[in-house]
Amino acid sequence: AQKITQTQPGMFVQEKEAVTLDCTYDTSDPSYGLFWYKQPSSGEMIFLIYQGSYDQQNATEGRYSLNFQKARKSANLVISASQLGDSAMYFCAMREGRDSGAGSYQLTFGKGTKLSVIP
Amino acid sequence: DARVTQTPRHKVTEMGQEVTMRCQPILGHNTVFWYRQTMMQGLELLAYFRNRAPLDDSGMPKDRFSAEMPDATLATLKIQPSEPRDSAVYFCASGTQLTGTYEQYFGPGTRLTVT
Repeated sequence: AQKITQTQPGMFVQEKEAVTLDCTYDTSDPSYGLFWYKQPSSGEMIFLIYQGSYDQQNATEGRYSLNFQKARKSANLVISASQLGDSAMYFCAMREGRDSGAGSYQLTFGKGTKLSVIP
Repeated sequence: DARVTQTPRHKVTEMGQEVTMRCQPILGHNTVFWYRQTMMQGLELLAYFRNRAPLDDSGMPKDRFSAEMPDATLATLKIQPSEPRDSAVYFCASGTQLTGTYEQYFGPGTRLTVT
């Protein structure tokens, strides 16, 4: 079974509108972390936001927020007030386990969602 | 502004040639990762190091790929001999447990084309 599932291969959003990118995950580990990365056409991977499994509140970073629903195992990325520069691939990733030894730093990535912002 | 650097940014080589990719992690980061990205497979973890020691290289084809960290400021990924199926973008990323979140910061990647 896939550990990270991003069901939307591509999405369109009007400039200045909000958009939600879906991510579901699968783990039996009670301690894990969820990440979102942005990859523009230039190719670099940019870290956007992090949510820990024990965090009580949803993470926010500027226009990015993470809608964390633990029972549903979902960690959707919400981008508010979309800008043309938000057009990119977006990857959801998960780290399992605490720092208790080898393997705790590994990230498993989803296949990504291509977001296109329309002027 | 601390960044991960990678060289070369682009490499075109013929099948059978040796390819060496280099990475300088962010100063103070003690974990280094090598990933490969292709359209078909997405992002795959090839190997990673903590405090310069290799922890996992199960994602690498052992017969042709090797990864090393000769010192804390340099990680290398070598392919010998290269094959057309190795064509991909290779990313290096670094991280530290000091943030408590273990996010990884990626370099710009090396785009490898093997003809």
